[in-house]
Amino acid sequence: ELKVEQNPLFLSMQEGKNYTIYCNFSTTSDRLYWYRQDPGKSLESLFVLLSNGAVKQEGRLMASLDTKARLSTLHITAAVHDLSATYFCASWDGATNKLIFGTGTLLAVQP
Amino acid sequence: DAGVTQSPTHLIKTRGQQVTLRCSPKSGHDTVSWYQQALGQGPQFIFQYYEEEERQRGNFPDRFSGHQFPNYSSELNVNALLLGDSALYLCASTSWGSGSYEQYFGPGTRLTVT
Repeated sequence: ELKVEQNPLFLSMQEGKNYTIYCNFSTTSDRLYWYRQDPGKSLESLFVLLSNGAVKQEGRLMASLDTKARLSTLHITAAVHDLSATYFCASWDGATNKLIFGTGTLLAVQP
Repeated sequence: DAGVTQSPTHLIKTRGQQVTLRCSPKSGHDTVSWYQQALGQGPQFIFQYYEEEERQRGNFPDRFSGHQFPNYSSELNVNALLLGDSALYLCASTSWGSGSYEQYFGPGTRLTVT
């Protein structure tokens, strides 16, 4: 079965710094999702990446997809405190029509 | 345009009891998927409903069952509750075959089993 791994699991960073969250998936997938979750809340859709080489940016967040390497990245530029949350990547399993989620990355941006 | 709605928001049940959670999909969506998210973990797929039938199922026991109504809303039923069923239950909706890849999640139902 498709497996999705994220790293790091926890990331503490200072405001203004850059960092990248990595998402590896075990089998070829043509659809990769990134979600944000605040404590006790639901999942907020950030990006849907649909093809190899896809890159999307929204504010300080940029996501990319390399299907050959089975890797997606979420890059954070000049972090601000408001970005503190848990970030999940999820790969679409086309054989079973379901999302397979990673373990999540808890991001804490310190002032 | 209302997004995905779920009820109730919170629920406390005792071991052995039964619970029903409800989900209304986003307007225009006809497919509903249910996920269980235990504390500190990523969501796990329970099952998916389309055209009032269960289309896919994850690795969950038969105690977990569901239903979809003609208006596309859905229920998740859990029988013989265990302490380990305590989790956030998320409903996601999409439009089958529309070419849209978005999966919209509802606010969730927090179930606590004591």
